[in-house]
Amino acid sequence: KQEVTQIPAALSVPEGENLVLNCSFTDSAIYNLQWFRQDPGKGLTSLLLIQSSQREQTSGRLNASLDKSSGRSTLYIAASQPGDSATYLCAVKSRGSTLGRLYFGRGTQLTVWP
Amino acid sequence: EPEVTQTPSHQVTQMGQEVILRCVPISNHLYFYWYRQILGQKVEFLVSFYNNEISEKSEIFDDQFSVERPDGSNFTLKIRSTKLEDSAMYFCASRVESGANEKLFFGSGTQLSVL
Repeated sequence: KQEVTQIPAALSVPEGENLVLNCSFTDSAIYNLQWFRQDPGKGLTSLLLIQSSQREQTSGRLNASLDKSSGRSTLYIAASQPGDSATYLCAVKSRGSTLGRLYFGRGTQLTVWP
Repeated sequence: EPEVTQTPSHQVTQMGQEVILRCVPISNHLYFYWYRQILGQKVEFLVSFYNNEISEKSEIFDDQFSVERPDGSNFTLKIRSTKLEDSAMYFCASRVESGANEKLFFGSGTQLSVL
């Protein structure tokens, strides 16, 4: 069974810092990996999706990398802002899944203070 | 921007009662999902639905759970006889045909409290 782990569980930084959030998964046979953002009391917003054949994806200040063979992904946030404060979730779609079941990590709770 | 809509946002019920959680997926999406998140725990897959039938379900999705797409827009999750441990945030999600863009779009969730 796929297990997804995220480190650190929580992170508190001053505005402007560059951040790295880590995600690891136990089964490297994946279709893709997604990073989501979750705000309190709200749903999940997909930030980036990396296909298994890709190494990285970028969107604005966000960059996600994937090393499938080692079972790792990182989410890099450049020049962090208070508005980036949220919980960031990593989720993988395993090759054993027929129609897109995702396995989630517990998330990294990020606080960016002014 | 199109979004997945869930109602109600909060539902309080007594143990043993039936509840129906409702979702309106994005209109051109074909794959539908229910996930749940117990407070402090991971988001967990419940069920996926395509072409008017269940495609995959987890061990959580036992006989007390059922899903339905009664018309062209709604997608519902029914819990027949709720238990205390069913208390969680329930998320509906949808996506378009599989391919390069497989992003999953989630609703804001229904917070279910079973007393």
